Amino acid sequence: RKEVEQDPGPFNVPEGATVAFNCTYSNSASQSFFWYRQDCRKEPKLLMSVYSSGNEDGRFTAQLNRASQYISLLIRDSKLSDSATYLCVKTGRRALTFGSGTRLQVQP
Amino acid sequence: SAVISQKPSRDICQRGTSLTIQCQVDSQVTMMFWYRQQPGQSLTLIATANQGSEATYESGFVIDKFPISRPNLTFSTLTVSNMSPEDSSIYLCSVEPQGYNEQFFGPGTRLTVL
Repeated sequence: RKEVEQDPGPFNVPEGATVAFNCTYSNSASQSFFWYRQDCRKEPKLLMSVYSSGNEDGRFTAQLNRASQYISLLIRDSKLSDSATYLCVKTGRRALTFGSGTRLQVQP
Repeated sequence: SAVISQKPSRDICQRGTSLTIQCQVDSQVTMMFWYRQQPGQSLTLIATANQGSEATYESGFVIDKFPISRPNLTFSTLTVSNMSPEDSSIYLCSVEPQGYNEQFFGPGTRLTVL
C-alpha cells in the first residue's frame, strides 16, 4: 500500500465551481502535511500546510483528520489558473513523501 | 526562500552512458534532496545529501547507480550511471532552508535515454 494515496482524477470543473480533493495516508507517526501544486512541466511548489485545526488561505481550505489519517483540500470559486496537479505530501523518514497527485482542469 | 538552478535542463542520452546533473542553491543549506519523477508519476526520493558525509539512499536506489557529491553547502551533483531507457525521468533537487517548514525545488532535469 502506498504511504500517500490520492484519486488521480482528472477533475474537470467549470469556472466558479467548488472542488474537493481527498488524500489518505499510512504511518500515523508523520508529523507534517502539505498540499503542493505542480503545473505541467514545472517543479512542485508549496500551496499550503495542513493543520488539524483546519486552515484557510483565500479560496483554499485544507483539513487534516489524524484519527482517520485523511487530508482534504477545498477550492472555492475555481479559476482557470487553478488548473494543475495537486500533490498531497507528508513528512517521511528523511524527506517528503508525495502522493501521485490529483489533476484539476478548470474549464471556461 | 531559496533559488535553485539545475544543469542541464534536459538531455537525450544513449544507453550505457552516464549523465551528471548539477544543482546550485543561492544560499547555504544543510540538507539537499534528490527526487525522481517518472512520466505520469509523482516524486520519489532518491537520496538525501548532507555536506561532509555520504548520501543516504532510499530503498531501491544504490550509490553505484546514482552517485552523489556534496562538496559544499550550496552545491550538489547527481550522476545517473550506465543509463537505460527506464532511467528516462525528470530529476529534481530540493532544499529545506533553515527556519522554513517548506521544501523548495529546482526546475528539474528532463532526461531521455534512447
